[in-house]
Amino acid sequence: EADIYQTPRYLVIGTGKKITLECSQTMGHDKMYWYQQDPGMELHLIHYSYGVNSTEKGDLSSESTVSRIRTEHFPLTLESARPSHTSQYLCASSEEKGGRNEKLFFGSGTQLSVL
Amino acid sequence: AQTVTQSQPEMSVQEAETVTLSCTYDTSENNYYLFWYKQPPSRQMILVIRQEAYKQQNATENRFSVNFQKAAKSFSLKISDSQLGDTAMYFCAFMTTDSWGKLQFGAGTQVVVTP
Repeated sequence: EADIYQTPRYLVIGTGKKITLECSQTMGHDKMYWYQQDPGMELHLIHYSYGVNSTEKGDLSSESTVSRIRTEHFPLTLESARPSHTSQYLCASSEEKGGRNEKLFFGSGTQLSVL
Repeated sequence: AQTVTQSQPEMSVQEAETVTLSCTYDTSENNYYLFWYKQPPSRQMILVIRQEAYKQQNATENRFSVNFQKAAKSFSLKISDSQLGDTAMYFCAFMTTDSWGKLQFGAGTQVVVTP
């Protein structure tokens, strides 16, 4: 079983609120990722990190920001939530193994609804 | 840019029967990896099977097998002896060898296994 945790599982908030989605992994993985998933649509990479103090934007532009101060923690923040941010956010991590046997471990996701 | 297409939004199969999910992709890369991920309802996404593009032999994992046709850019998943626990959304994903962990996903196929 993957030891990667996301909280909260569900979040309903009003427009303009600041929110932080938590993601933690206990596997000591260097690489962590945030994917966004709209209903019936593909997952899109929005942020990734290859280690502490390293963060990059993914393929899909996002108004969210991330930080990586500790290896195990990769929170995602929205400064001012809007209804267009309503989506499922999936966090993932993987080991630094040179790629051939690389495997992503996913969290259970946070379903965000902005009213 | 790579794209992944899953043309079947939903498929239904009876227990013990076989179902095949289609996936096509578009890339100019020669070395890459292909994956099938399973996302059960309200549960974590898990890796079902992976295929390395340089390997001609089709990958198999117990009841799951793939038909990888590199020239046709096709990567179908066959689930044999379907079980109720196979009910889930299945995502086809693509990753180049220089972008570890940065997966390009298809839109998914919902598989429903009925008694």
